[in-house]
Amino acid sequence: AQSVAQPEDQVNVAEGNPLTVKCTYSVSGNPYLFWYVQYPNRGLQFLLKYITGDNLVKGSYGFEAEFNKSQTSFHLKKPSALVSDSALYFCAVREGGSYIPTFGRGTSLIVHP
Amino acid sequence: DSGVTQTPKHLITATGQRVTLRCSPRSGDLSVYWYQQSLDQGLQFLIQYYNGEERAKGNILERFSAQQFPDLHSELNLSSLELGDSALYFCASEVVAGMLNTEAFFGQGTRLTVV
Repeated sequence: AQSVAQPEDQVNVAEGNPLTVKCTYSVSGNPYLFWYVQYPNRGLQFLLKYITGDNLVKGSYGFEAEFNKSQTSFHLKKPSALVSDSALYFCAVREGGSYIPTFGRGTSLIVHP
Repeated sequence: DSGVTQTPKHLITATGQRVTLRCSPRSGDLSVYWYQQSLDQGLQFLIQYYNGEERAKGNILERFSAQQFPDLHSELNLSSLELGDSALYFCASEVVAGMLNTEAFFGQGTRLTVV
């Protein structure tokens, strides 16, 4: 069965500093990986996805994610954090045979001014 | 705006009652997912419908049921409500089911509070 782990409930970073939100996955086949962001009182918004090809994926709002097959990770990154990036971030995975998106528990990102 | 519409946005009801949550998918999307988001369980998959038929079931209680109508909108029915059912319920849609490389689009959710 596919699964996703987000090991940090909360990440704190100062504005202007780089940020990383971690995600590891477990699948039996090829993974299809996604990041979503949820702002307060809003639904989940799609940020980016990894399907195949380049291990560095670029997405919305300056975010990018690095796929690492050997470490089964798909960490979300941004070179310079903004206060407005403060939100809840979810990693999700799909794989062949179980196409239902499975989500991690979410990581709260807090960017301090 | 994702194009997925959920109503109502907020719902407060008493234990033992029954409620219906509604979801209108994006135009052209045939597949609808329902998820429950709670603080202790994260985002849990409940059920999926595709073009009017149930496609997959997740951690959905027997007290809960769903359907998708010919116009593709979907309803999630929650009955004999308990305090623990208080959560944010999301609907998500995508064009087809089983496409691994597509992303689902989420509505803003219905916040259910059972008192």
